[in-house]
Amino acid sequence: AQRVTQPEKLLSVFKGAPVELKCNYSYSGSPELFWYVQYSRQRLQLLLRHISRESIKGFTADLNKGETSFHLKKPFAQEEDSAMYYCALSGPGTYKYIFGTGTRLKVLA
Amino acid sequence: SAVISQKPSRDICQRGTSLTIQCQVDSQVTMMFWYRQQPGQSLTLIATANQGSEATYESGFVIDKFPISRPNLTFSTLTVSNMSPEDSSIYLCSVRAGGPHEQYFGPGTRLTVT
Repeated sequence: AQRVTQPEKLLSVFKGAPVELKCNYSYSGSPELFWYVQYSRQRLQLLLRHISRESIKGFTADLNKGETSFHLKKPFAQEEDSAMYYCALSGPGTYKYIFGTGTRLKVLA
Repeated sequence: SAVISQKPSRDICQRGTSLTIQCQVDSQVTMMFWYRQQPGQSLTLIATANQGSEATYESGFVIDKFPISRPNLTFSTLTVSNMSPEDSSIYLCSVRAGGPHEQYFGPGTRLTVT
């Protein structure tokens, strides 16, 4: 079955601490993996995608095909990182997304 | 990029009635999607709105319950028919614009069915 699992509903860290938001997936084939973010009172927006191998707002995510994981990491959390984070996958060429249930990140002062 | 607006932003409806949600995009787009996010749940794709033809529905969603229109490349509607409290959700419109994975989301419509 195609599935995205985010085991943590809520993750609280102190400002300046490292952050890791976990994402595991199940998919037969080679999916595209994404992280979306939703800040308070804003719409869902793309944070990063694995094919770009980019760092956005200090966040990175490495696709581990062996462990079928795509964890989101940031070495030093900032208060403005507080938001809801969704991991998602898409089959090649389908443009249809399967989302995880999301993790709420709270960065404490 | 694409800017998406949805109407209404929220509504409270009675059981058994229907609500039509509008999605307007500021540019012509090929692919438009409708998602549902039930309380505490993930976003689930309802259907792909195809311009000039019937929508393509995902497993578990049917046209009689969620009829969709796509009269042109900038507009789509989703109707939630014969509503029950289980239909209380946020409904989101999404479009693909630009590159293969340039996907944008609307602000959502928060529906409460009493």
